[in-house]
Amino acid sequence: GENVEQHPSTLSVQEGDSAVIKCTYSDSASNYFPWYKQELGKRPQLIIDIRSNVGEKKDQRIAVTLNKTAKHFSLHITETQPEDSAVYFCAASKSNAGNMLTFGGGTRLMVKP
Amino acid sequence: GAVVSQHPSRVICKSGTSVKIECRSLDFQATTMFWYRQFPKQSLMLMATSNEGSKATYEQGVEKDKFLINHASLTLSTLTVTSAHPEDSSFYICSARPGGATKQYFGPGTRLTVT
Repeated sequence: GENVEQHPSTLSVQEGDSAVIKCTYSDSASNYFPWYKQELGKRPQLIIDIRSNVGEKKDQRIAVTLNKTAKHFSLHITETQPEDSAVYFCAASKSNAGNMLTFGGGTRLMVKP
Repeated sequence: GAVVSQHPSRVICKSGTSVKIECRSLDFQATTMFWYRQFPKQSLMLMATSNEGSKATYEQGVEKDKFLINHASLTLSTLTVTSAHPEDSSFYICSARPGGATKQYFGPGTRLTVT
């Protein structure tokens, strides 16, 4: 089955700096890659997603890039703010497997004011 | 739109008892619902996939007789933890996927504590 690795597990940045979180996946048939932000005790919130027919997607301060050949995708957050502090999860799924999500291990992002 | 609710949000039960958790899609019909378990400081682990009107598909290592899943309608799935033990204490989160859609929408989670 699919295996998703996520790095780093913790990331501390200064407010205003950029943060980058990287994920790799194992199943070349995966075609949908969402990113979730989860605050303590709350549900995961979808912040951005990308499909395999697209190499990059941006939404204000958040961007995701996908390299299908290398089977990795990354989340980029620019101009970080303290409220960006949370745990971020990447995930991968494929449409011919019921769109089951396989999650990465998570990255705890801390933005210091 | 695409709101998923879960009930209860927190439950404390005694070892050996059973607990039922409900997951509802409030403004869409969910042909598929997923149940996840999340231990402290860990990722979400898929327990089972539930399709309306059919038996759930359990992930490897998840006991189907212990975690009973019923997807009785297009808006409701239930997870019953039977004969709960302290090691079942966890955060249980459901998600729902509208028919034909790729995105999943997550419920707010249920914190289960077994004493």
